Amino acid sequence: ETGVTQTPRHLVMGMTNKKSLKCEQHLGHNAMYWYKQSAKKPLELMFVYNFKEQTENNSVPSRFSPECPNSSHLFLHLHTLQPEDSALYLCASSPGQGDTQYFGPGTRLTVL
Amino acid sequence: AQSVTQPDIHITVSEGASLELRCNYSYGATPYLFWYVQSPGQGLQLLLKYFSGDTLVQGIKGFEAEFKRSQSSFNLRKPSVHWSDAAEYFCAVGIPYNNAGNMLTFGGGTRLMVKP
Repeated sequence: ETGVTQTPRHLVMGMTNKKSLKCEQHLGHNAMYWYKQSAKKPLELMFVYNFKEQTENNSVPSRFSPECPNSSHLFLHLHTLQPEDSALYLCASSPGQGDTQYFGPGTRLTVL
Repeated sequence: AQSVTQPDIHITVSEGASLELRCNYSYGATPYLFWYVQSPGQGLQLLLKYFSGDTLVQGIKGFEAEFKRSQSSFNLRKPSVHWSDAAEYFCAVGIPYNNAGNMLTFGGGTRLMVKP
């Protein structure tokens, strides 16, 4: 058990491809998050899920589609991405309100 | 809306020297405050956090941070830096959100380089 895991660690995709990022947490947490980390911008929150329900969509384009089938798993489905979507995508989880978020190692995405 | 400023984008210190990384925040109430560290190609590791109580908090790897309400600051310190401390450091403000942890707002990060 290694806390929060993400697969794949690296992904290269074309603009017309469809791919998915996976996040799994082994911490028994109720909330999961997707963040985007670009080279020249602060970390940006994308989505929040609480007890499998999406509670926040931070104005993310529809080419990013999250899915949370249960409290331990979170996916980010990608389709028709743009080169500017190349970034490190980080997943995090937290037990509940007022608690700390624990991060996975990230998926480095490159869109050609 | 809350915001976090880390004024120093890059800092270089000699190994063994002391370190202070600055963080200022803007938020109407007392927020939850965090420092995370990120090594190249890795995710974020929590160094320490402040929720309430003693304003001087101790973290992992010999780091500490002090919350100063009057200055809206939460600066990170270490008395003697090791070469392995070279990384990027992020300060974050957490606002409790629904029943699902905190909504974190991050600063832009400070990249620390350590000279031998």
